[in-house]
Formats: sequence, structure tokens, C-alpha cells
Amino acid sequence: NAGVMQNPRHLVRRRGQEARLRCSPMKGHSHVYWYRQLPEEGLKFMVYLQKENIIDESGMPKERFSAEFPKEGPSILRIQQVVRGDSAAYFCASSTLTSGYNEQFFGPGTRLTVL
Amino acid sequence: GNSVTQMEGPVTLSEEAFLTINCTYTATGYPSLFWYVQYPGEGLQLLLKATKADDKGSNKGFEATYRKETTSFHLEKGSVQVSDSAVYFCALSQGAQKLVFGQGTRLTINP
Repeated sequence: NAGVMQNPRHLVRRRGQEARLRCSPMKGHSHVYWYRQLPEEGLKFMVYLQKENIIDESGMPKERFSAEFPKEGPSILRIQQVVRGDSAAYFCASSTLTSGYNEQFFGPGTRLTVL
Repeated sequence: GNSVTQMEGPVTLSEEAFLTINCTYTATGYPSLFWYVQYPGEGLQLLLKATKADDKGSNKGFEATYRKETTSFHLEKGSVQVSDSAVYFCALSQGAQKLVFGQGTRLTINP
């Protein structure tokens, strides 16, 4: 059973370009979470999605950022018109609630560098 | 809102030393508590968890006990190894909600 997969692992963009980050959850997992880790800081929650639904986007910046988790295919985190402050590691996690609590499994992350 | 406070790092120890990394939390109700470990250049791996008061999570020689009375979940290991060098994150969640992380503690073990 493959773990959570993210691609690309490294992404370089110039200011003003768009960044698309992909996350494929573990097989059988229907909950996806995105977190951002700034250099030397902890992870901050961005958004929580289930298939075709955004459940909690309280951590998403109000502008330029969007996320989706379609019925088929990976979850996408999209950042439009990137700025230098968007440079960070973006982690995706997935979970299932069969155990009654929220054990999240993390992908290896996408490290975004904005020039 | 919910929050997690971790012992500030970095922490540097010699091999075979005893390790404690403090973690306290603020939450309504009864959250689940976790310790995650992050090795350089990698994502987070779950180290151990506890889902109710007085539970003890353990893995790879690490232990942490869910203390409701002190709202704490301190991480301990009796004898650390060089391979334990990493960043350790304490976290909580409630139900299907997001994980709330502490700021992380960087641990370096010298031979």
C-alpha cells in the first residue's frame, strides 16, 4: 500500500507565476489536509477536504490560494501570482476515520522556491 | 482556540543520555495527542499517539503519557542514539479536525 504521494518534490517559480502542487492520498483515504511549513517553523494548517468538498479552509490565505479534491484524481493546491513569501514546504496528509480518531499520514512534501 | 506549546530548542545531548521534550496543550474537551518526527529533507512520520487521558503512547523506545490534569504530553526516551537526531513536533486534534502543531524541537545527538 503506497503512502501519500506528492509531486513535484521541488518547484521553482518566478514571482507572478502559478504553482500547482499535487497530492495523492493513501488508498482508501478520503480525507486530505494541506499544511505549510515556513523555514524553521512548525506546520500550519491550510485546508481540509473530502472528495469534491472543502470542509475547513480557515487556514487558507484569502487571495491567490485555492484547493480542490475532485472525485477522480489527486488533490491540487494552487497558488496564483506567487510571491517570495510563498516560499515554503507544503505538506499533504491523508486520513480515514475508521479508528475513531484522526491519525494523519504525511507525504514527503513539495518545497516551493519563489525567485 | 486549541494550541500546543513545546519546549524550545535546539536540544543537544550525548549518546545514551536521557531525553525529555516538554509539551503542553490548550483544548476544549478531550483531544487526541501525537508526537511526529521529521528527519532532514523529509515529511513527518507519526512517532506515537494517545487518544484518551492516562494513555501511554510508545514506539522505538520513546514514550509519552496523556496527562489531563496537567494538560501535558511530554516525550521521553531513556537512552538516545545518534539516529534520533531530528525535529520533533507535538500535536493535537479533535475528531476529524486539523492537527494543531507545536513549533517543533530540534534534537541533535552527539556520539
